[in-house]
Order: sequence, then C-alpha cells, then structure tokens
Amino acid sequence: DAGVIQSPRHEVTEMGQEVTLRCKPISGHDYLFWYRQTMMRGLELLIYFNNNVPIDDSGMPEDRFSAKMPNASFSTLKIQPSEPRDSAVYFCASNNPTGYTGELFFGEGSRLTVL
Amino acid sequence: KQEVTQIPAALSVPEGENLVLNCSFTDSAIYNLQWFRQDPGKGLTSLLLIQSSQREQTSGRLNASLDKSSGRSTLYIAASQPGDSATYLCAVSPPSNDYKLSFGAGTTVTVRA
Repeated sequence: DAGVIQSPRHEVTEMGQEVTLRCKPISGHDYLFWYRQTMMRGLELLIYFNNNVPIDDSGMPEDRFSAKMPNASFSTLKIQPSEPRDSAVYFCASNNPTGYTGELFFGEGSRLTVL
Repeated sequence: KQEVTQIPAALSVPEGENLVLNCSFTDSAIYNLQWFRQDPGKGLTSLLLIQSSQREQTSGRLNASLDKSSGRSTLYIAASQPGDSATYLCAVSPPSNDYKLSFGAGTTVTVRA
C-alpha cells in the first residue's frame, strides 16, 4: 500500500487566500484524522472522521477552518481566509479499527506558510 | 485535561550507547500509549503501542515500558546507531475515546558516529 498520501507537500500563500489541503487515507481504513503541528503547540488533533462522517471537530480552531470527506478515499481541509498564524505542518492520519489497537498511520504532511 | 511531558527535549549520544527516553502523563486513566518516530520533514511512524493492561512492548532494539499508576513510560533503544537520530514522541489516548491522542513535545535524539 502507498500509505497516507497528502498534497500539496508545501504551500506558500498570502494572507486572506483560500488554502485547500488534500488527503488520501490508506485503503480500507475507516478513520481519518487531521492534525496540526507547530513548534509552540506541538501536535493538535483538529478533526476526525469515521466512515466519512465527522465525529469530533472540537479541535478546529475557528470557523475559518472546515473539513470534508466526500468519500472513503478523499478528504480536504480548507482554510478561508488564511492568516499568518495558520502557518504549520498539517498531517493527515488513518487507521483500521479491525483488531483495533489504536495504531495510527500518518502522511508526510503539508507544510503551510501564510505570508 | 491530559498533559504529556517528555524530558529531555534533546539528547546527544555517541554511537553504541543505549538511549533512555522518558514520557510522563498526568491522568493515569489511559487506553493505550504509543511511541512514534519523526524524521525531519516527514510524518510520524508508529514504533510501539502499549495497551493499558500491558507493562511493556518490544520490537528489535526497542523496548517500551509502561507504569500507568505513576503516569510514566520509558523507551529504551539499545546500541544506538546514527540512523536512530530523529525526534521521538509519545502519545496517550483516553479510555473514553480511543482516537483523541495527547502528544508530548518530543525528544530530539542525535547519535554521533
């Protein structure tokens, strides 16, 4: 399997622009997670989905952030409008609850810089 | 709220030395504890997962112990190699929700050749 695939790997944009990050989970994984990593706050869970349904979005920082999962193989995290404080690495992760132990598989991340 | 602390923040050792990485958490009511490795510019790779009912897990040169009552876990890496240089993070999940991991800030390890 190719693992969790994220795009773009790097994004540089100007404040106020819309940013869309994309994720393809591992095939067969029913759970998908979006995390944000910064030096100041470490890794934070933003939102997670089960069978394409958002289960907990309490970590989404503001209404400027939204996430969707239209099907089992694709999810997006959108920031509109973006701000410099949104600069971070955004990770997508998935897992397979069959024989669930809690192990997560992470993508390589999307590094976002908002100028 | 669960707080996860990793000390030290950084560690530098000569090749061949054993590594000891510490993780502490404030709420002992956990479902499991995981150790991850993160290389620069990369995502996280799961190394070991310890269920709350277990005391330790081993994989090759890696051994992780868990003392839930005292809120501590230790990751041992035997006979370190330069390829072990990375940031190691621990994460705990609460029993009420398996998926909301709380991460430590990580320990950045450098193994000198």
